[in-house]
Amino acid sequence: GAGVSQTPSNKVTEKGKYVELRCDPISGHTALYWYRQSLGQGPEFLIYFQGTGAADDSGLPNDRFFAVRPEGSVSTLKIQRTERGDSAVYLCASSLERNNEQFFGPGTRLTVL
Amino acid sequence: AQRVTQPEKLLSVFKGAPVELKCNYSYSGSPELFWYVQYSRQRLQLLLRHISRESIKGFTADLNKGETSFHLKKPFAQEEDSAMYYCALSGLSGTYKYIFGTGTRLKVLA
Repeated sequence: GAGVSQTPSNKVTEKGKYVELRCDPISGHTALYWYRQSLGQGPEFLIYFQGTGAADDSGLPNDRFFAVRPEGSVSTLKIQRTERGDSAVYLCASSLERNNEQFFGPGTRLTVL
Repeated sequence: AQRVTQPEKLLSVFKGAPVELKCNYSYSGSPELFWYVQYSRQRLQLLLRHISRESIKGFTADLNKGETSFHLKKPFAQEEDSAMYYCALSGLSGTYKYIFGTGTRLKVLA
């Protein structure tokens, strides 16, 4: 079956602009996670959804970052007033339940000029 | 503090040689440990997790709580093992966040 998909695969924007990154989890997966991977680093946790609610957003770096999952399936990560330091690969993962194996998407490479 | 340390950024071995990718962790509770692998131009995928005690593609990893390590081993490396390997942990009590190490790039030379 289809895995986790993310769009766009690449996004180039200018400093100060607003961006939205989309994640389509595996059908039926209730848990959804966002991670950010900077160059030379491992993925870092940003936010976790169980169903429609953000159960843990402790990894979001500041209030410019926000994520939603209004119907418990697709999620959108929103970044306001982008900064050059936001440049990274943003990974989405989903799992059947909270404690199950996380399946990762291919990521969105965000470049802020 | 919760932390995963992978001391080697790059490990090069010849085909047929043994491989050991090091992973040490720091965690206050009872962690669950994982190895994820990312082949060139592919997404991150689970290689193995310590609770399943499986051997996948010839790789094994044993959780050593005394040394707080979860090293990944394979007796005979193959060229197709060349990839980026990440060690990760989460809490067995139900915490869901993965904490990843910085990764080790394995290059298997012909």
